[in-house]
Amino acid sequence: EVQLVESGGNLVLPGRSLRLSCVASGFNFDDHAMHWVRQRPGKGLEWVSSISWNSGKKDYADSVKGRFTISRDNARNSLYLQMNSLTGDDTALYYCAKEDGDYTFDFWGRGTLVTVSS
Amino acid sequence: QSALTQPASVSGSPGQSITISCTGTSSDVGGYKYVSWYQQHAGRVPRLIIFGVSYRPSGVSNRFSGSKSGNTASLTISGLQAEDEAQYYCCSYTSSGTLLFGGGTKLTVL
Repeated sequence: EVQLVESGGNLVLPGRSLRLSCVASGFNFDDHAMHWVRQRPGKGLEWVSSISWNSGKKDYADSVKGRFTISRDNARNSLYLQMNSLTGDDTALYYCAKEDGDYTFDFWGRGTLVTVSS
Repeated sequence: QSALTQPASVSGSPGQSITISCTGTSSDVGGYKYVSWYQQHAGRVPRLIIFGVSYRPSGVSNRFSGSKSGNTASLTISGLQAEDEAQYYCCSYTSSGTLLFGGGTKLTVL
């Protein structure tokens, strides 16, 4: 059974940093690109970032480029999102999502909540 | 980059069919076959219901279908059921190498 379990969400002050993690199981992690998608409270889905299976390609939404860094550790079946210079606009539930090829998210974690507030 | 354009809400009675549109540009929806649709019930995790414009994952009812014409993709749900009441999002690959979601459409089953 595919499982994606996010962690690391927390209440953080504006301007601070946070690192999210996602541990995957139930599939060959190193065969798949992975993504982070966020959802602000009461709002829609927003794609944040993606990383190819071998970390050779990383992409970011304009809203986070230069502040967020995606990475993965295939030996640990883990995906990460380093978030710096956080603002209130980054307050959201952050989902880890598995790509099933062709930019399709076939499995999603339950999300981890990031709240940026003073 | 602005979200793909979806109607904020649609509604239909049980048994009817509804269509949700998703309008982008030639740099996203119109330029690629990489359009997917997700269903999200309140408080739940999004679920893939259509990928590659018109393909259904295993386990998804054949009442759900997808299509595309020019820069607009569409999701059609036939034989509406109460359980279909949810938020629906389209998503497309873009020429920038990024992904773009639609703003979401709330489906109400009357």
